Amino acid sequence: DAGVIQSPRHEVTEMGQEVTLRCKPISGHNSLFWYRQTMMRGLELLIYFNNNVPIDDSGMPEDRFSAKMPNASFSTLKIQPSEPRDSAVYFCASRPSGAKNIQYFGAGTRLSVL
Amino acid sequence: AQTVTQSQPEMSVQEAETVTLSCTYDTSESDYYLFWYKQPPSRQMILVIRQEAYKQQNATENRFSVNFQKAAKSFSLKISDSQLGDAAMYFCAYRGGTYKYIFGTGTRLKVLA
Repeated sequence: DAGVIQSPRHEVTEMGQEVTLRCKPISGHNSLFWYRQTMMRGLELLIYFNNNVPIDDSGMPEDRFSAKMPNASFSTLKIQPSEPRDSAVYFCASRPSGAKNIQYFGAGTRLSVL
Repeated sequence: AQTVTQSQPEMSVQEAETVTLSCTYDTSESDYYLFWYKQPPSRQMILVIRQEAYKQQNATENRFSVNFQKAAKSFSLKISDSQLGDAAMYFCAYRGGTYKYIFGTGTRLKVLA
């Protein structure tokens, strides 16, 4: 199994630009999570999908952030417009049905907004 | 609300020695899971060990073991025979009756040759 795949690995962009982060969960997993990791705030849950449906987006910082999961094998996190304070590592994680206690993380996308 | 506290920002251990990383948590739930994740410089979050709260026996995975004290709400990680590859950030995490994981702020472990 290839694990959770995130792309790109690194993203550098200028303030005001649109940024799209991508995630391919492990096949067969029905739950998907987006996290943001910063030095100041640690790991924060941004949004949680179950069976492709957003269940909890209370962690999404503001309207500039949006996430979609059009099918079971793909999800995107979009920031428009991006700001320097969005600079962080963004992780995607997936979890199989029936095993409610194990999340598998991707390698993360390091985003730098200049 | 649940909280997870890791009070040691950084720890050092000599290669082949034993080190213990501390974690405390606060919850009113009776059924929950606790985890230790390792994050090496590659950034990948790797599950090291997990403990179900209803199990009294401490979880063990090879050189990694936990000391789970439910009444004290303490969940420490012991790494025996430390290796250079153990150097990483270690995060303690809690999951209760919902899907949400609560992570601590992490402890950076340095392994000295």
